Amino acid sequence: DARVTQTPRHKVTEMGQEVTMRCQPILGHNTVFWYRQTMMQGLELLAYFRNRAPLDDSGMPKDRFSAEMPDATLATLKIQPSEPRDSAVYFCASGLPEVGRDSNQPQHFGDGTRLSIL
Amino acid sequence: GQQLNQSPQSMFIQEGEDVSMNCTSSSIFNTWLWYKQDPGEGPVLLIALYKAGELTSNGRLTAQFGITRKDSFLNISASIPSDVGIYFCAGQLVGTGNTGKLIFGQGTTLQVKP
Repeated sequence: DARVTQTPRHKVTEMGQEVTMRCQPILGHNTVFWYRQTMMQGLELLAYFRNRAPLDDSGMPKDRFSAEMPDATLATLKIQPSEPRDSAVYFCASGLPEVGRDSNQPQHFGDGTRLSIL
Repeated sequence: GQQLNQSPQSMFIQEGEDVSMNCTSSSIFNTWLWYKQDPGEGPVLLIALYKAGELTSNGRLTAQFGITRKDSFLNISASIPSDVGIYFCAGQLVGTGNTGKLIFGQGTTLQVKP
């Protein structure tokens, strides 16, 4: 089965350091989503891309977070500088919404990057 | 913003029992999805629903898309220990089909006692 691949699976680093998380979407999927999961907030949508262009990043703190898709097979989420409150599990999901159709195929999730900022 | 109210928040049941959980909203959805998340892994799709009133089964799981398009439920029959995990509902609002953007419930944590 095709899967969304995320790296690294775990990251522990000190406050102030730059963190980069990577995602390889399912081949052929043109929409990529970044989520953050915490016990308190559940699953929060941070940003999403269609055909590598950002559609919405309103859920993402702009001052320290940035998301890009350098090519169709790679999405990145960066935090600089990182803070302890950024500790969470970050998920990437990909999907293939169909233009002109109001309901679409579901998103498929990777296994996440568990981030701990000390 | 739009919210999904998922209940119950957690359940602790005996193996063999049936389970029911649901999601409700004041908004109208055109898609309802149910995911399961195991510890240390990402959510995995269980069932997708696309039409109001639709009832779909996947093994011991059954889910329905509410007729008002504002709710959905998931039933698990004859629970087994591997059903343990967090179950999420997710909905796609009417008019957002081109984006694929989902709204997630807060999750139902299921524990099954052998």
